[in-house]
Amino acid sequence: AQSVTQPDIHITVSEGASLELRCNYSYGATPYLFWYVQSPGQGLQLLLKYFSGDTLVQGIKGFEAEFKRSQSSFNLRKPSVHWSDAAEYFCAVGLNFGNEKLTFGTGTRLTIIP
Amino acid sequence: DSGVTQTPKHLITATGQRVTLRCSPRSGDLSVYWYQQSLDQGLQFLIQYYNGEERAKGNILERFSAQQFPDLHSELNLSSLELGDSALYFCASSVSGRGVVDTQYFGPGTRLTVL
Repeated sequence: AQSVTQPDIHITVSEGASLELRCNYSYGATPYLFWYVQSPGQGLQLLLKYFSGDTLVQGIKGFEAEFKRSQSSFNLRKPSVHWSDAAEYFCAVGLNFGNEKLTFGTGTRLTIIP
Repeated sequence: DSGVTQTPKHLITATGQRVTLRCSPRSGDLSVYWYQQSLDQGLQFLIQYYNGEERAKGNILERFSAQQFPDLHSELNLSSLELGDSALYFCASSVSGRGVVDTQYFGPGTRLTVL
């Protein structure tokens, strides 16, 4: 069965510091990869996605992610975080095998300290 | 704003009751997906409809059902509610749904509380 792992449940970062959130998947084929962000009391907003091509993808709000096939990873990065980045971040995977559902990781909660 | 709307925003009800959650997809999107977000299960896929027909089922209980209407809006019906059904229910929509993964845009969710 397809699975997505976000090993960090909670990360605390100082404002202005760099950020990397980890995401690993376990599938035989290359999946379609997504990062979503959920602010408190809000829905899920798409940050970026990878379908094919350039393995470094740019998203909204200054985020980027790099697909590494050899490591089955799709880590999310931001060079300098802002207090407004405090939220929960979800990595998700989709496969073109019978349906188009997304399988989500358990999420990483990001806290920003001044 | 993703363009996906969900009503109501909050729903409080009692055990044993039945509720209906409503979702309107983005204009032009043919697929609607329902997900449940709970503290113990995380974000779980429930069911997908494509252009009025059920396309895929996930971890959806038999007490739950859904449909997609000709105008493409969808309803999720939850019956014989239990305390454990308390969760945030998301609807998402995408353009495709015939074997091609596409970007899913999520609504703001309906928070269901069962007392």
